[in-house]
Amino acid sequence: KAGVTQTPRYLIKTRGQQVTLSCSPISGHRSVSWYQQTPGQGLQFLFEYFSETQRNKGNFPGRFSGRQFSNSRSEMNVSTLELGDSALYLCASSSATGNEKLFFGSGTQLSVL
Amino acid sequence: GESVGLHLPTLSVQEGDNSIINCAYSNSASDYFIWYKQESGKGPQFIIDIRSNMDKRQGQRVTVLLNKTVKHLSLQIAATQPGDSAVYFCAESFSGGYNKLIFGAGTRLAVHP
Repeated sequence: KAGVTQTPRYLIKTRGQQVTLSCSPISGHRSVSWYQQTPGQGLQFLFEYFSETQRNKGNFPGRFSGRQFSNSRSEMNVSTLELGDSALYLCASSSATGNEKLFFGSGTQLSVL
Repeated sequence: GESVGLHLPTLSVQEGDNSIINCAYSNSASDYFIWYKQESGKGPQFIIDIRSNMDKRQGQRVTVLLNKTVKHLSLQIAATQPGDSAVYFCAESFSGGYNKLIFGAGTRLAVHP
């Protein structure tokens, strides 16, 4: 069974641009979560989707958004990039609707110049 | 991954010794706890989980202990191997949190031959 797949693996953008990251969950998983990982703040929850609905959102500005498609694949978008958005963005999927183990992808490393 | 914190507390052990990694969690309402291992360039990898109705759970070479009284979690690794070298994160969540995990800062485990 294939794991969580995130594309692209690396991205370099400049301030003010926008970026879209993609995540394909494990087959059969309907919950997809996104996390941001930085050396200073560690791993922080961005949002979670289940059946195309956002069920929970972390404390990030509105520039961070996401969506989920009917096949459970998910995208997250960051608009008007800032230097501080440089981070590893991790996607995780889960088979259940509540507290169950999350399986993470390898992440997308975003660098904002 | 590349963005894992550079100034994490480090636990250095000799190969073959037992390792104990500790974690204090923050929310008394948390009822689900997970340990993840993150190697350089990879996303967090699930190790073991425990629910709040238990105080101990064992896996292969790993044991998690939960002390709800003092909000403390520990991960014990038996016969530590060089392949165990990584950053270890504890995470907590609560029912109704829709897979929102709150991660600890992480501990770097360095195993020396």
